[in-house]
Amino acid sequence: QQPVQSPQAVILREGEDAVINCSSSKALYSVHWYRQKHGEAPVFLMILLKGGEQKGHEKISASFNEKKQQSSLYLTASQLSYSGTYFCGTERGSNYKLTFGKGTLLTVNP
Amino acid sequence: GAVVSQHPSWVICKSGTSVKIECRSLDFQATTMFWYRQFPKQSLMLMATSNEGSKATYEQGVEKDKFLINHASLTLSTLTVTSAHPEDSSFYICSTGEDEKLFFGSGTQLSVL
Repeated sequence: QQPVQSPQAVILREGEDAVINCSSSKALYSVHWYRQKHGEAPVFLMILLKGGEQKGHEKISASFNEKKQQSSLYLTASQLSYSGTYFCGTERGSNYKLTFGKGTLLTVNP
Repeated sequence: GAVVSQHPSWVICKSGTSVKIECRSLDFQATTMFWYRQFPKQSLMLMATSNEGSKATYEQGVEKDKFLINHASLTLSTLTVTSAHPEDSSFYICSTGEDEKLFFGSGTQLSVL
């Protein structure tokens, strides 16, 4: 079942923060986050595993609430390069078989 | 991480013809490859899981005879769209997993006239 992402779109000015949420109605093994720029392949950002802690990558971090089966991606002090569509992908077992959400279009303006 | 090479990047074909898309794992022996389809401004939808040396596993609603998948070696998986129609026009992308992450090919934009 497809995870639900929110919001669908976000417009920021450079330096502002954003949070993107991803929730599932099923028990998850992991949540992955990817960023895709137009016409390009998705690029891996991070993975949150069941029982794992909050993770960070430069100014991008994420958390996974196992009880609620929800994950959030935090983008702080956004840069122009952060623009793109962010997808969460959920995995119900350790098999790389991901179900992706509909995506969140993030636009960072100067 | 794994490097996945996908070819061609884009292809235009006439309705009724077949198109083959190749996906190579350059530095990694990929026993499994995943094939996704993405319509404009939509999510990636898993079509099938390609397994080296055995038959592919297709997701519900995906026609096996239309989307032929071959995974003859640990470095090459192919997707052939047979008798393509305009509604098959889409962005097709392959991926493989390593170290808990998915690595994607660069994708193939298929346009069927």
